[in-house]
Amino acid sequence: GAVVSQHPSRVICKSGTSVKIECRSLDFQATTMFWYRQFPKKSLMLMATSNEGSKATYEQGVEKDKFLINHASLTLSTLTVTSAHPEDSSFYICSARDLGGYGYTFGSGTRLTVV
Amino acid sequence: AQSVTQPDIHITVSEGASLELRCNYSYGATPYLFWYVQSPGQGLQLLLKYFSGDTLVQGIKGFEAEFKRSQSSFNLRKPSVHWSDAAEYFCAVGASADSWGKFQFGAGTQVVVTP
Repeated sequence: GAVVSQHPSRVICKSGTSVKIECRSLDFQATTMFWYRQFPKKSLMLMATSNEGSKATYEQGVEKDKFLINHASLTLSTLTVTSAHPEDSSFYICSARDLGGYGYTFGSGTRLTVV
Repeated sequence: AQSVTQPDIHITVSEGASLELRCNYSYGATPYLFWYVQSPGQGLQLLLKYFSGDTLVQGIKGFEAEFKRSQSSFNLRKPSVHWSDAAEYFCAVGASADSWGKFQFGAGTQVVVTP
């Protein structure tokens, strides 16, 4: 079945540094991927839609200059948290549309801690 | 705009007992409905989905859900709960075909299974 790999699973970084999170579709091509953020004991919030070969579409309230998204190939989307601050600490999850378009496979998530 | 409500934040159930998780949605057209499960620190796993057709949907791990248009509900059920079912469960509604993957998630229901 469709598998989405997300890396790293956990990362700790210092305030002011940038962190890159990768989302790969392992056995299918994904023209569209999605990035979500999950706060502790909260639901998932869609941050942006990542489109292969074009600019990402950000949801209202999401800072596109802070959360840079690149979808340079059909199997890879990256989310870079720039100049990270403690309030950016969260669980970030990506998802990708599988071939049939009727299901979305989620990555296993990345726990980001900014210290 | 679409929305999803999971009225129960937390449910405790005994192992072997039945489980029902409630989900109500608000959407103008026929919704695309999903149930996902998340174990601690993990990504989301799709349990089942409903697009059309038979309103009783069978999923993995012995779960089923019933779509009731008149009640705008999509409740998840399992006849006999196992300790491994302890997790967070999210109901989600997907937008129409032109914006696949833009899920609106409910707040989630935490399920605790007691011996």
